[in-house]
Amino acid sequence: DAGITQSPRHKVTETGTPVTLRCHQTENHRYMYWYRQDPGHGLRLIHYSYGVKDTDKGEVSDGYSVSRSKTEDFLLTLESATSSQTSVYFCAISASGGSYNEQFFGPGTRLTVL
Amino acid sequence: DQQVKQNSPSLSVQEGRISILNCDYTNSMFDYFLWYKKYPAEGPTFLISISSIKDKNEDGRFTVFLNKSAKHLSLHIVPSQPGDSAVYFCAASASQGAQKLVFGQGTRLTINP
Repeated sequence: DAGITQSPRHKVTETGTPVTLRCHQTENHRYMYWYRQDPGHGLRLIHYSYGVKDTDKGEVSDGYSVSRSKTEDFLLTLESATSSQTSVYFCAISASGGSYNEQFFGPGTRLTVL
Repeated sequence: DQQVKQNSPSLSVQEGRISILNCDYTNSMFDYFLWYKKYPAEGPTFLISISSIKDKNEDGRFTVFLNKSAKHLSLHIVPSQPGDSAVYFCAASASQGAQKLVFGQGTRLTINP
């Protein structure tokens, strides 16, 4: 199994509070991704990183920001959480970009915004 | 606009028989397709993939078929086993820079003894 951990695994917070989710990898992979999973939508890409300090937006980036100061860590921040951000968040890594490279997923973080 | 669609939310199959999961896509730029399996409270795990230069890829009990003209792919599991009960996601990407996967909604497969 790819060495990917996510913290926290579960979090309950209130509307308007900031929240940071952490993804940590031990594979030294260049690419890291944040997805959210919601019923009826599958997984949707929020942000991704193609190197330290190099990030870009995905399909559903509004309300989220990311940072990557080290190869092994990719942080997802909800500046002011809303109930629509209640979801399960997955981090993924891949050795390289482009096609023909599968992504490996972490165990997920279940976030509830009240 | 859902670029990758799995139109069957659920599928029930008897143990030992063939399971066929289907996926359709609309974006002709997609050139790599993957299937992931997901158990409750776990992250998706990679199962099998296929590039657009092929029409079939096999790995043990799992075979993925790609029909580019119909923009359709399917995953065949033979024979189906109880441990195959899970949610299956198909995903697609285009070979441009970072691999931004676009997922279908998922199909819940239940294998009955």
